Amino acid sequence: QPVLTQSPSASASLGASVKLTCTLSSGHSSYAIAWLQQQPEKGPRYLMKLNSDGSHNKGDGIPDRFSASSSGAERYLTISSLQSEDEADYYCQTWGTGSWVFGGGTKLTVL
Amino acid sequence: QITLKESGPTLVKPTQTLTLTCTFSGFSLSTSGEGVAWIRQPPGKALEWLAVIYWNDDKRYSPSLKSRLTITKDTSKNQVVLTVMNMDPLDTATFFCAHTRGGEFDYWGQGTLVTVSS
Repeated sequence: QPVLTQSPSASASLGASVKLTCTLSSGHSSYAIAWLQQQPEKGPRYLMKLNSDGSHNKGDGIPDRFSASSSGAERYLTISSLQSEDEADYYCQTWGTGSWVFGGGTKLTVL
Repeated sequence: QITLKESGPTLVKPTQTLTLTCTFSGFSLSTSGEGVAWIRQPPGKALEWLAVIYWNDDKRYSPSLKSRLTITKDTSKNQVVLTVMNMDPLDTATFFCAHTRGGEFDYWGQGTLVTVSS
């Protein structure tokens, strides 16, 4: 069963870019993940699925400002031209044979 | 357009059984590959996967909670029901249901907060 590790917090200025990281545990570097956004007091919103080769499929209505990439066991979410509404918790999720796992989440603060 | 909405009690007593309903639209659990998952989130904490049920009635449970969980579906009503036995104050959480086709959870409900207290 894979484990996903995320930094608890990140911050960046309005209009800038930020890169969030999700790390897959040893032996699971080929796994795809999904990125989710959870704004305060709301349910999670699916952003995209990210494969190990860096290819990704965005969810409905996700702006071009959101992109993703992969390197080894690392999975990245890059948000450019940060807006105030991007201040949220960001979770990564993966899945194996009949089980699903979430990372601990990264709280993004937009300064 | 896929939508999901959770419903159930907001307050349960310790040792009671919690029953939550997920009512969805925009897909059918009679269609091959479709599934619905349940996830919970204690206040201020991370998401935790609980269970999944598929169109063919295949069911998967979190190993740590398997003995307390039951997931069922009513295809004609577009509903999925989760029961959690022997509720404890540590089970206080917002419960979400989500759509899946086996991997990512791509559509989520708004969630329902359940508090466990005597």
